[in-house]
Amino acid sequence: DSGVTQTPKHLITATGQRVTLRCSPRSGDLSVYWYQQSLDQGLQFLIQYYNGEERAKGNILERFSAQQFPDLHSELNLSSLELGDSALYFCASSPTGWIGTGELFFGEGSRLTVL
Amino acid sequence: KNEVEQSPQNLTAQEGEFITINCSYSVGISALHWLQQHPGGGIVSLFMLSSGKKKHGRLIATINIQEKHSSLHITASHPRDSAVYICAGGRYNNNDMRFGAGTRLTVKP
Repeated sequence: DSGVTQTPKHLITATGQRVTLRCSPRSGDLSVYWYQQSLDQGLQFLIQYYNGEERAKGNILERFSAQQFPDLHSELNLSSLELGDSALYFCASSPTGWIGTGELFFGEGSRLTVL
Repeated sequence: KNEVEQSPQNLTAQEGEFITINCSYSVGISALHWLQQHPGGGIVSLFMLSSGKKKHGRLIATINIQEKHSSLHITASHPRDSAVYICAGGRYNNNDMRFGAGTRLTVKP
């Protein structure tokens, strides 16, 4: 058990809809990272928050947004969903602000299926 | 060319064999992570390296900064080691981590 909790584990929805994925980091970890894993693109970095502020942005679509709340949990919002958004979405937490100085602890992932 | 490349793509071994998975990365990457993804999908971080060598149980990770190359070794492999192993690299003070395509390891009893 990594200590990182992601909900929901599975989600099936229709094109055009909006969903919210939630991540609770390990106690004390200030960084939350979001990653997308699809069959054709592999793992990709989406966005990172550190202590409530956006720290880094990767290949995140404009239809996607995220935030980190004062209690350090984070939410990833996906809107106007398309078939190609079907993927596993992982969050990871870390005690530090840079991936080069701290281990990453991954959640179990949220599997999104868009029909 | 991808910033992080792994080889082999697939690897099948007999229980007890010594296994090596390789990762080459591009200029500018200064931290390398090795991850393990189980068949169920969960990801576990195995190592984070910026220099030298690290060991944890039967797993050893090395990195050669001059050659921009890292290896993950598994000694006395076991069927429970069957998983996808992914290397991922990050640039200094940049959290846009780039992932290799993964190596699917199958260890047969």
